[in-house]
Amino acid sequence: GAGVSQSPSNKVTEKGKDVELRCDPISGHTALYWYRQSLGQGLEFLIYFQGNSAPDKSGLPSDRFSAERTGGSVSTLTIQRTQQEDSAVYLCASSLDRGGYTFGSGTRLTVV
Amino acid sequence: GENVEQHPSTLSVQEGDSAVIKCTYSDSASNYFPWYKQELGKGPQLIIDIRSNVGEKKDQRIAVTLNKTAKHFSLHITETQPEDSAVYFCAGATGRRALTFGSGTRLQVQP
Repeated sequence: GAGVSQSPSNKVTEKGKDVELRCDPISGHTALYWYRQSLGQGLEFLIYFQGNSAPDKSGLPSDRFSAERTGGSVSTLTIQRTQQEDSAVYLCASSLDRGGYTFGSGTRLTVV
Repeated sequence: GENVEQHPSTLSVQEGDSAVIKCTYSDSASNYFPWYKQELGKGPQLIIDIRSNVGEKKDQRIAVTLNKTAKHFSLHITETQPEDSAVYFCAGATGRRALTFGSGTRLQVQP
């Protein structure tokens, strides 16, 4: 597609439930990144993929968070047993190796 | 790891004036410094970037300067317009590592 697509755009879930967030990067972009942005805050790095492998997953806040990327394309970020502090906008970006990132519009996650 | 500090957190200017946002970074090995603009409800959009082998780069009303010795870089917006109002983020990265972002500057251009 023309840009980075994220789905759903909004997600409300009950505390303790699992959620899956999807990212479709720009076709041909080898690198894919997940960031989290809390209300009015900066961007917190979560995980980075080069192809299907994750050279840097140092930003994942706990073992409840995991991510995978298949076929060098689509990525899924999974949050298990969601907590209220997980509420944030989850942003995905892709890039051609070391070029500038193109971000999606994000998934706004609200845990109630 | 890299630490990027950004200031000011908020900036209000009159239309037509210039705006300057400054960032410092901690890792002397960092070699890529982009700037992003984020409008309400949207993802950040790359507006300009600079690599460590260049001291300044311009694109119409936007310019970025880099001082490697002092480890700081700045965004300059001239002849500001109301549509420049947004949150601006600086970032830095080393090699293949992911970008580390500053905390953001909310720019308000008063008509």
